[in-house]
Amino acid sequence: QVQLQESGPGLVKPSQTLSLTCTVAGGSVISGSDYWSWIRQPAGKGLEWIGRIHTSGDTSYNPSLKSRVTTSVDTSKNHFSLKVNSVTAADTAVYYCARWSFKTANFDSWGQGTLVTVS
Amino acid sequence: QTVVTQEPSFSVSPGGTVTLTCGLRSGSVSTGYYPSWYQQTPGQAPRTLIYSTNTRSSGVPDRFSGSILGSQAALTITGAQADDESHYYCVLYMGSGIVVFGGGTKLTVL
Repeated sequence: QVQLQESGPGLVKPSQTLSLTCTVAGGSVISGSDYWSWIRQPAGKGLEWIGRIHTSGDTSYNPSLKSRVTTSVDTSKNHFSLKVNSVTAADTAVYYCARWSFKTANFDSWGQGTLVTVS
Repeated sequence: QTVVTQEPSFSVSPGGTVTLTCGLRSGSVSTGYYPSWYQQTPGQAPRTLIYSTNTRSSGVPDRFSGSILGSQAALTITGAQADDESHYYCVLYMGSGIVVFGGGTKLTVL
């Protein structure tokens, strides 16, 4: 059972870059059919898909965030990362990393989430 | 901008049956969107209930079932229990790597 764990600063200043890492345990980011994803949830609101990356380098992003988001994968460290630049208070949220299984077309593993506050 | 619609809230009596729906503001939901359903309780990460329209995830009780009803994906809970009180989210796969979450339904069991 793969386990995911987010890490990164909990506080980011406006206009700066939010950076998070998701470490994968019990499995490998080098998985032919899995995509490594980021999802966020502002307090009291719903879930919003941010984007995903495959170890091949293939990426997809939410069109509403695409201009500010970058994802990457580090196979040597078995983790993947998210950067959101030019952040504002609207980017304050709990950020989740998750695995999207291509075979079953769903987010089958989730991290516990990490709160990032922009202030 | 694709909008996936869900009822904001719903209530069901203990032991009752409830069907939550997941639609598209423009168009119909079919199995080709691979609808999946997630349950989220406060302070917790979501967990998968149903994927690929109607396949239950491992460990999910069989009182949860998924289907396509008309032009929408549906999650039915038969014999609702108190601990089913949660938020429920659907996800649709739009193709080209894009997925969209519905706004979520807050289910109350009372």
